[in-house]
Amino acid sequence: EIVMTQSPDTLSVSPGERATLSCRASQSVSSNLAWYQQKPGQAPRLLIYDASTRATGIPARFSGSGSGTEFTLTISSLQSEDFGVYSCQQYNNWPLFTFGPGTKVDI
Amino acid sequence: QLQLQESGPGLVKPSETLSLTCTVSGGSITNSDHFWGWIRQPPGKGLECIGSLYYSGSTYYNPSLKSRVVLSLDTSQDQFSLKLNSVTAADTAVYFCARITWNGLDVWGQGTTVTVSS
Repeated sequence: EIVMTQSPDTLSVSPGERATLSCRASQSVSSNLAWYQQKPGQAPRLLIYDASTRATGIPARFSGSGSGTEFTLTISSLQSEDFGVYSCQQYNNWPLFTFGPGTKVDI
Repeated sequence: QLQLQESGPGLVKPSETLSLTCTVSGGSITNSDHFWGWIRQPPGKGLECIGSLYYSGSTYYNPSLKSRVVLSLDTSQDQFSLKLNSVTAADTAVYFCARITWNGLDVWGQGTTVTVSS
């Protein structure tokens, strides 16, 4: 099983600042990686797929990069509505997949 | 617009079977471009894939749960279902259904909380 890890566990950022979140896979997943945002009491929302492609309706301030085992999600200028938990997901063995434990972004 | 809605008991006794259904509206479960899946999230923890299924009936299970899980679908009702047997407190979680595309899970149900307790 491919194990996903994320860092940091929690990130405290002020509005307007840049946030950088990391995700690592235990083995190469190529570019088969997605990022999700989840707010309390809600389902996750797909932000990024194929490591760097924004999903429909996702603002340009969200960007993804990386391939293989190292990935990054960047929020260029944090907005107040961007608080929540961000999880990465590998789908290299699609249609099965594994998620990382999440990074909590506090505004 | 496609919507998914989970339904089922919120409380299940230990050793019994957890049964949930996901109803798809605004689209068809027989769309050949997509798979359908179940994901769960224990309190305060991360997301875990339970398994996925295709409209043809093909199923794929998380190896750690495979011995206890059965996924099925009812194309006439545009529904798919999860059965997890021999549950314990460790199966307490929010259970989500979702549409699985080649590019991630793009439509999710709101989630339903299932507690395993006597």
